[in-house]
Amino acid sequence: DAGVIQSPRHEVTEMGQEVTLRCKPISGHNSLFWYRQTMMRGLELLIYFNNNVPIDDSGMPEDRFSAKMPNASFSTLKIQPSEPRDSAVYFCASSLGRLAGEYSTDTQYFGPGTRLTVL
Amino acid sequence: AQSVTQLDSQVPVFEEAPVELRCNYSSSVSVYLFWYVQYPNQGLQLLLKYLSGSTLVKGINGFEAEFNKSQTSFHLRKPSVHISDTAEYFCAVNTNAGKSTFGDGTTLTVKP
Repeated sequence: DAGVIQSPRHEVTEMGQEVTLRCKPISGHNSLFWYRQTMMRGLELLIYFNNNVPIDDSGMPEDRFSAKMPNASFSTLKIQPSEPRDSAVYFCASSLGRLAGEYSTDTQYFGPGTRLTVL
Repeated sequence: AQSVTQLDSQVPVFEEAPVELRCNYSSSVSVYLFWYVQYPNQGLQLLLKYLSGSTLVKGINGFEAEFNKSQTSFHLRKPSVHISDTAEYFCAVNTNAGKSTFGDGTTLTVKP
């Protein structure tokens, strides 16, 4: 299996621009997670989908952030407009998660991350 | 709400020496505990996990961890480290209520 695929691997943009990060989870996995990693705040869970439905988005920092999962094999995280404080590494992870709320025992498989720099 | 505290942000150690990375957690519900490793410029990958049963859990690359409910700890150990073990290590707690919470990470640096 190819594992979790993220694109782009690196993104440099200017403040105010729209940024779209993409993720393809492992085939057969039903849960998908978006994380943000920074030196200051560590690893933060932004949002969690199960069977393409957003289950918990309480970690999304503000309305500038939005995430979608139109089908089982694709998800996007969008930032509009972007700000310098959004600079971070964004990880997508997936797990088997057969039922919402039962992902707790599952191993999460992480993608390689997207390093975002907002100037 | 659950929380995870990794007691050491950096652990330097010489090659072939033993190492312990400490993790304490707090939660008001049942927990499942994980250790993940992150090599430079990569995503996290699972080292080991405790779900139930034996409190001593063995993982990949010779690592093991012991779940101690009374001390709410899940320390990671390896009897003899290699240069290739240099990485960041994350302790995580998943509750049966749903969320994953990660610690701040411990950077293990193995010196020759």
